[in-house]
Amino acid sequence: GQQLNQSPQSMFIQEGEDVSMNCTSSSIFNTWLWYKQDPGEGPVLLIALYKAGELTSNGRLTAQFGITRKDSFLNISASIPSDVGIYFCAGQRFTGTASKLTFGTGTRLQVTL
Amino acid sequence: GAVVSQHPSWVICKSGTSVKIECRSLDFQATTMFWYRQFPKQSLMLMATSNEGSKATYEQGVEKDKFLINHASLTLSTLTVTSAHPEDSSFYICSARGASGRGVQFFGPGTRLTVL
Repeated sequence: GQQLNQSPQSMFIQEGEDVSMNCTSSSIFNTWLWYKQDPGEGPVLLIALYKAGELTSNGRLTAQFGITRKDSFLNISASIPSDVGIYFCAGQRFTGTASKLTFGTGTRLQVTL
Repeated sequence: GAVVSQHPSWVICKSGTSVKIECRSLDFQATTMFWYRQFPKQSLMLMATSNEGSKATYEQGVEKDKFLINHASLTLSTLTVTSAHPEDSSFYICSARGASGRGVQFFGPGTRLTVL
C-alpha cells in the first residue's frame, strides 16, 4: 500500500536540541496525525491536525498541517532522552467508516546526553 | 487519550497451530477496528478494517482465510492467525476508532507473535 515519505529517516541529536521532521504526500489528506512508537509498544497519538495551515502544540511538540494539505511538520523543542523513539506521521481522507490511515515511513530519533 | 488493550502481549506457538489475539477498547465504543502488522524497523501495514457486526475488509494481499477477524461487539475485536507458520511471526497491532473523536485511531500495545 501507499506510504508517506518522512524525512529524515533517522537522526542523532544532543539533549536540549530542537528537532524538526516532515512528512510529504503526493495526494491530499483532510487529517494529519503524528504518533510516537517506543520499542515493543504500539503507537501513541501525539498531535492531531484537522485544517490546512493549522498549528497545534502539545507541550514541547508543535505540528503543522501544510497549506497544500500534502504535507505536515513536527517540531520537538529542547529534546530530552525520553524523546527517543520512532515518530510516524499518518494521513487520513475521512470518508466515514471506510476511512483509514496511511502511514509515513517513520523517523527514528536518538538523543545523546 | 482513549485506551485500547491487547492480549496477549506476546505468544510463542508451534507451526501449524492457531493463535487468537484480542483487542479491546476500554473506555469508548469502537465502531471501527483495524489490524496492522509491523516488521522490524518498518512502518505499520494495514491488514484489515472491521466494523462492528459486519465482515472485515481485507487489504490487497492479505489472506482472509489465514487471518480471521471478528468484531462481535463495540469493544472487542479478535484476530485469529490460522495454521501459523514461521513467516507469520511479526508484531501485530490493533487500533480502534469511535463514532465521535473526529476519526482519530487509538492503538493497542501490540502482540509479538513468534512461530517456531
